[in-house]
Amino acid sequence: NAGVTQTPKFQVLKTGQSMTLQCAQDMNHNSMYWYRQDPGMGLRLIYYSASEGTTDKGEVPNGYNVSRLNKREFSLRLESAAPSQTSVYFCASNPTLQAYYEQYFGPGTRLTVT
Amino acid sequence: AQKVTQAQTEISVVEKEDVTLDCVYETRDTTYYLFWYKQPPSGELVFLIRRNSFDEQNEISGRYSWNFQKSTSSFNFTITASQVVDSAVYFCALSEAQSGGSYIPTFGRGTSLIVHP
Repeated sequence: NAGVTQTPKFQVLKTGQSMTLQCAQDMNHNSMYWYRQDPGMGLRLIYYSASEGTTDKGEVPNGYNVSRLNKREFSLRLESAAPSQTSVYFCASNPTLQAYYEQYFGPGTRLTVT
Repeated sequence: AQKVTQAQTEISVVEKEDVTLDCVYETRDTTYYLFWYKQPPSGELVFLIRRNSFDEQNEISGRYSWNFQKSTSSFNFTITASQVVDSAVYFCALSEAQSGGSYIPTFGRGTSLIVHP
């Protein structure tokens, strides 16, 4: 079991460029999440997908789009990157959208926008 | 609305010292879950423990222990005889289980623990 995998691990973009962060899980989980982590801010939810075919906004969705490609994969797209999107991005999953379940995290993608 | 406060931004200790990481939460729900996660320097967050709002029993796992007190809305984490490998950022999180609540956890801002040899 690889758990949750993310690609790429590191990325440098110029302002205005676009890119897609990929996430996949092999635990047959229904729910998947994208967070960003900034110094002193903890983890903030960008988007989530409660189940295949659904996506919803989190706390900080502006500037991002997501696609739940299938049950395994949940991608995050930056259409026009801005320096404010410099951050570490984490994908997570859990069996279903219930308060009881802990989340399983990927290794993160460190994104720098210049 | 739920809220999690980890007032300690950074704690520095010398190996073998005991250290307590504080977590204070706010919620109007009577059914909720509290979590602790560890983020070592490698970066990946790892789940440590879950506690539900009806179970105030303290828990001990090796050198780790957790003290849940509903009266003070706190869920503190103590590491006994700290080791260099305990150096990490620790996050407390809260999720609400009742209808209308947020099933998705809200995370505190984290406490960075540095254990010096």
